[in-house]
Parts: sequence; structure tokens; C-alpha cells
Amino acid sequence: AQTVTQSQPEMSVQEAETVTLSCTYDTSESDYYLFWYKQPPSRQMILVIRQEAYKQQNATENRFSVNFQKAAKSFSLKISDSQLGDAAMYFCAYRSGSGGGADGLTFGKGTHLIIQP
Amino acid sequence: NAGVTQTPKFQVLKTGQSMTLQCAQDMNHNSMYWYRQDPGMGLRLIYYSASEGTTDKGEVPNGYNVSRLNKREFSLRLESAAPSQTSVYFCASSVQYNQPQHFGDGTRLSIL
Repeated sequence: AQTVTQSQPEMSVQEAETVTLSCTYDTSESDYYLFWYKQPPSRQMILVIRQEAYKQQNATENRFSVNFQKAAKSFSLKISDSQLGDAAMYFCAYRSGSGGGADGLTFGKGTHLIIQP
Repeated sequence: NAGVTQTPKFQVLKTGQSMTLQCAQDMNHNSMYWYRQDPGMGLRLIYYSASEGTTDKGEVPNGYNVSRLNKREFSLRLESAAPSQTSVYFCASSVQYNQPQHFGDGTRLSIL
């Protein structure tokens, strides 16, 4: 079974600074997908960014980018120019690319991101 | 633009009572999922439905049943609620298995 580990229960960053959230995963598969989801206090689960394992290029979405290191099984999220609205729980998630077996996402335990004004 | 709609948003049950959580999506997605979120934990998969007419167990299926009523609707039933099932329940859908999942707003369920 795959596991996802987020080693930072909480991170704090000054507004406008850059912060990196860590995620590592364990899998024997070569084809898979990785995601970062944001959960603000409203409880919504919001997709931040998606990475396909077969793509070497790191995904980016505006101020959000990832550092995907397939050999190291590492998938960190970098948030540039942090804004107060970025304050939330951030979850790293893994999805098998096989399409068979358990078809859902495997989540890490999350990192609580605090933005200091 | 409703997306994924869950009802109810909050519910309190007594131990042993039964309850069905409803989920509907209007995005014509094939796959639907039920997760639970406990404090200090990420979401864990309870059941999923890869397509209409099929359902499969996820990581934590014990104590739950599901029904994929049609392409739009996927319900989760607790037959005899237990305090250990106190949690926030999320329904999600995706157009197919390798596409991002879209989540509902969650149901906070407390069992006394």
C-alpha cells in the first residue's frame, strides 16, 4: 500500500515571503499522480496543483510550484509571495496510475500553514 | 455551478441509529468517492464507485454501505452508528480515475 508523509505539522511564514511544504511518498509503482490540496477553515478541499509522474517538468500554477524528485519520492510545494488567503491546511495526495484496485487518493496528514502579517 | 452537493451539512445521531448521507454531482463525472476526515488525519477512503453500477471498498469500509443510485448520485449509509464514526465525511467525483477529484463541502457527523 502506498503511504504519504508530511513531516511538518505546522509552518509559519511572513506575508510576501516564500515557503516550502514537504511531502514524501512510498510506492513501488512507476505510473502515478500527485496532488496538493488546500483546506481553509471553511473545510472545502481545493485543488492547488497536480503532477503526473511520467512528466519530468515540475508543475506550476501562478504562485504555486512543485519540486518533484521521482527517484527520491519527494513532492514539495513552494508558495511564492505568500498571501493571507494562503493560510490553510495543505494536504499532499497520491493516486495510482493503474486504474485498478483502490481508486481513490491516499492523503498525508497535512501541514497547517500560518501566514504572519 | 453546484459541482458536488452533500446533504446534510451537520448531523447528530445516537449510538445505534441509522443514517444515509447523500451526494450528488452535476459535472457528468464517472467516478465518485466517499472519504472520512478525523482530527490530525488526512482524508481516508471509505468506498468508491469507478463508474455507474460498480462500487468497491476503500481503506476503511467497515460499518458503512454505499449505493451508486445513478451516474449523479452516490450515497453512504451507516446502519448502526457508533461513536468511532464521528467524523467529517467528504464526497468527491472525477471525470475518470486519473483526473483531479472535486470535493463537496463535507458533512460533520457526531455520534453520541
